[in-house]
Amino acid sequence: DAGITQSPRYKITETGRQVTLMCHQTWSHSYMFWYRQDLGHGLRLIYYSAAADITDKGEVPDGYVVSRSKTENFPLTLESATRSQTSVYFCATGTGGANVLTFGAGSRLTVL
Amino acid sequence: GEDVEQSLFLSVREGDSSVINCTYTDSSSTYLYWYKQEPGAGLQLLTYIFSNMDMKQDQRLTVLLNKKDKHLSLRIADTQTGDSAIYFCAESKEGYQKVTFGTGTKLQVIP
Repeated sequence: DAGITQSPRYKITETGRQVTLMCHQTWSHSYMFWYRQDLGHGLRLIYYSAAADITDKGEVPDGYVVSRSKTENFPLTLESATRSQTSVYFCATGTGGANVLTFGAGSRLTVL
Repeated sequence: GEDVEQSLFLSVREGDSSVINCTYTDSSSTYLYWYKQEPGAGLQLLTYIFSNMDMKQDQRLTVLLNKKDKHLSLRIADTQTGDSAIYFCAESKEGYQKVTFGTGTKLQVIP
């Protein structure tokens, strides 16, 4: 099906473990984004990518790593998970002159 | 930097109008948006407005922009229980792909 697929939808891990959240889009949109959603903070941008092999930091990049070797995939890796990274993570793509974003369904991550 | 603020909660009765308010700080914002998030789902774009517009209407939705006061509002006419969700205000600038979101307003519709 066309759209954005995030996986896994739910993940429980332990402090110090590496976790990768996957994001796949079928539209070939140039821009892709990772946001985290936390109560009281709304959505905060972690990283974004303008095209394959081009990534840049957002508002809260510490503790996260991204890559984009193919246009359609934009994985987000937590190299050593911390409890403060417990959150809901949303991947989004952007296209068009009005910077409209299309979001995936989200990945809920719990770090114990 | 950019800052977008919203009240956290709004409760209305079914059939009434809802007005969700938002203030932003960046006077160079070009686009202002309203997104809706239903439980367990991602955000969906409801509507957006260019900064050179004062108002935009789309069926039951009316967006008002006061650029002088940096104030954006979303009015939902004849609010239904299906409108219960979190509504996010957001802003971005032309040629600058990053979008800044507010904290979201949770709309509760009472039958």
